[in-house]
Amino acid sequence: AQTVTQSQPEMSVQEAETVTLSCTYDTSESDYYLFWYKQPPSRQMILVIRQEAYKQQNATENRFSVNFQKAAKSFSLKISDSQLGDAAMYFCAYRERLGAQKLVFGQGTRLTINP
Amino acid sequence: EAQVTQNPRYLITVTGKKLTVTCSQNMNHEYMSWYRQDPGLGLRQIYYSMNVEVTDKGDVPEGYKVSRKEKRNFPLILESPSPNQTSLYFCASRMWQRSSGANVLTFGAGSRLTVL
Repeated sequence: AQTVTQSQPEMSVQEAETVTLSCTYDTSESDYYLFWYKQPPSRQMILVIRQEAYKQQNATENRFSVNFQKAAKSFSLKISDSQLGDAAMYFCAYRERLGAQKLVFGQGTRLTINP
Repeated sequence: EAQVTQNPRYLITVTGKKLTVTCSQNMNHEYMSWYRQDPGLGLRQIYYSMNVEVTDKGDVPEGYKVSRKEKRNFPLILESPSPNQTSLYFCASRMWQRSSGANVLTFGAGSRLTVL
């Protein structure tokens, strides 16, 4: 079974600085998607960024970018120029491209932004 | 507005009292799913449905039932709730993201359930 591990339960960063959240996963599949979701205090699950496994180029969305290392099964999220609104719980998630298409989530990392 | 709507958002109940958490989406999505979120465990899938009258178990289905009689609705039923079902529940449906062709789940706002 696929598993996703986030080894940092909590992280903090100064406003305007850069922070990297770690994620590793385990799968025997070669075709899949990886996601980062943000959950602010409102509890809403918000998609931050998505990476297709067949793409070597790392995905970027404005201040958010990923470092996707397929061989190492690593998928870290980098947040540049951190803002107070980035404070949230962040979840890494994995999904096979075909099949049951279940999203498998990591345990989450709580990010605090210090003003 | 395209959305997934869950009700109730908050509920406190007692052990054994049957309850239903409703989920409705207005995007004509085939795929719908229920997750529960617990501290330190992330989100875990309870049940999912690929289409009307097609449902299947996720990772933690014990104590739950679902039905999919219409495409838009996917209720989660707790026949005899127990305290270990105290959790935050999310319904989600699959949206087609045109820009990339990949399917992306859209989540409801969550339902906080407490079983005493």
